[in-house]
Amino acid sequence: NAGVMQNPRHLVRRRGQEARLRCSPMKGHSHVYWYRQLPEEGLKFMVYLQKENIIDESGMPKERFSAEFPKEGPSILRIQQVVRGDSAAYFCASSPPERSNYGYTFGSGTRLTVV
Amino acid sequence: AQSVTQLDSHVSVSEGTPVLLRCNYSSSYSPSLFWYVQHPNKGLQLLLKYTSAATLVKGINGFEAEFKKSETSFHLTKPSAHMSDAAEYFCVVIEGDSWGKFQFGAGTQVVVTP
Repeated sequence: NAGVMQNPRHLVRRRGQEARLRCSPMKGHSHVYWYRQLPEEGLKFMVYLQKENIIDESGMPKERFSAEFPKEGPSILRIQQVVRGDSAAYFCASSPPERSNYGYTFGSGTRLTVV
Repeated sequence: AQSVTQLDSHVSVSEGTPVLLRCNYSSSYSPSLFWYVQHPNKGLQLLLKYTSAATLVKGINGFEAEFKKSETSFHLTKPSAHMSDAAEYFCVVIEGDSWGKFQFGAGTQVVVTP
């Protein structure tokens, strides 16, 4: 049973380009969470999604950032017109449908560098 | 509201000596508490978790943590450090009725010297 898969592992974008980060949850997990880790900081919650629904996006920047979790396929975190300050590690976690604090699994992250 | 404070940003220990990483939390509801470890350029690995069962929690790689409600603490310990323990450690809290909205501490960088 593969864990949470994130790709790419490393992504380099020039300022103004778009970045698309993908997260495939563990098999049987229907809840996905995105976190951002800025240099020298802990992880900050961004958004919580279930299939085809955004449940909580209170941690998402108001502009340029969007997330989706379609019925089929991975969850996508999209950053438009990237800026240097978007450089960070982005982590995805997933959990099963049952309400639980026990079953969260994190992926290995995507490290975005904006040049 | 929930929050977590890791009291030390850096800890340096000698191989074979005990490790203590301190964490205090605040939470309005019954919290669940976790410790995660992150090795350089790697993902997060769960060390252990407290979810209102036994207050002394044993995790992987010889780590353990004790939940002390009166002190609102969840310190992580290991009796004897190994070189492979050099990494960053995160204390994490989530309130009992929350879905995956973890609150991470700022992290403690552990250095192990020979």
